Amino acid sequence: SQTIHQWPATLVQPVGSPLSLECTVEGTSNPNLYWYRQAAGRGLQLLFYSVGIGQISSEVPQNLSASRPQDRQFILSSKKLLLSDSGFYLCAWSVGRGSYEQYFGPGTRLTVT
Amino acid sequence: DAKTTQPTSMDCAEGRAANLPCNHSTISGNEYVYWYRQIHSQGPQYIIHGLKNNETNEMASLIITEDRKSSTLILPHATLRDTAVYYCIVRVSGGGADGLTFGKGTHLIIQP
Repeated sequence: SQTIHQWPATLVQPVGSPLSLECTVEGTSNPNLYWYRQAAGRGLQLLFYSVGIGQISSEVPQNLSASRPQDRQFILSSKKLLLSDSGFYLCAWSVGRGSYEQYFGPGTRLTVT
Repeated sequence: DAKTTQPTSMDCAEGRAANLPCNHSTISGNEYVYWYRQIHSQGPQYIIHGLKNNETNEMASLIITEDRKSSTLILPHATLRDTAVYYCIVRVSGGGADGLTFGKGTHLIIQP
């Protein structure tokens, strides 16, 4: 069966510090991978998605970036965090093209202080 | 993608059927209806999806009206663990692999 891992589960970082969140998927090949963010009291916002190694599509311009160095690994990064980057970051995967049956990880709760 | 409208919140007694409505009056012929839920502090969970026929799986049933302008998600025997925010999403399938757009959803509260 497929599983998705995210770490860390929680993170407190000062403004201006770098960020690296990691997501890995097991039990499937060539998944589509996604990063979403949920700010406090707000809905889920799609940040990035990837259909293959090295292929990243950005949905919202901001100080975050994403990379996919391996087939089942998706990394969310920032060089300098802002207070507004606080939120619940979720990684998700799906297979094939055109299906919106996505499976989400447990999430990382980031607090920027 | 067609927009959806859902009630902000609903209550349901434990053990009863929870019926969650969704309006999507501008849905087009190739758009599917997807339902997800998000339990507090967890990632969203896929529940079910359909095009025009009613669908049922181990979690829920999806009833889509004949004109496809609205649908109802049915949790047949609600438990306290079904308390969550439920999202109704309309998307075209068969295209790319882009992500989902989540609205505000319905906060379903199961009462003991």
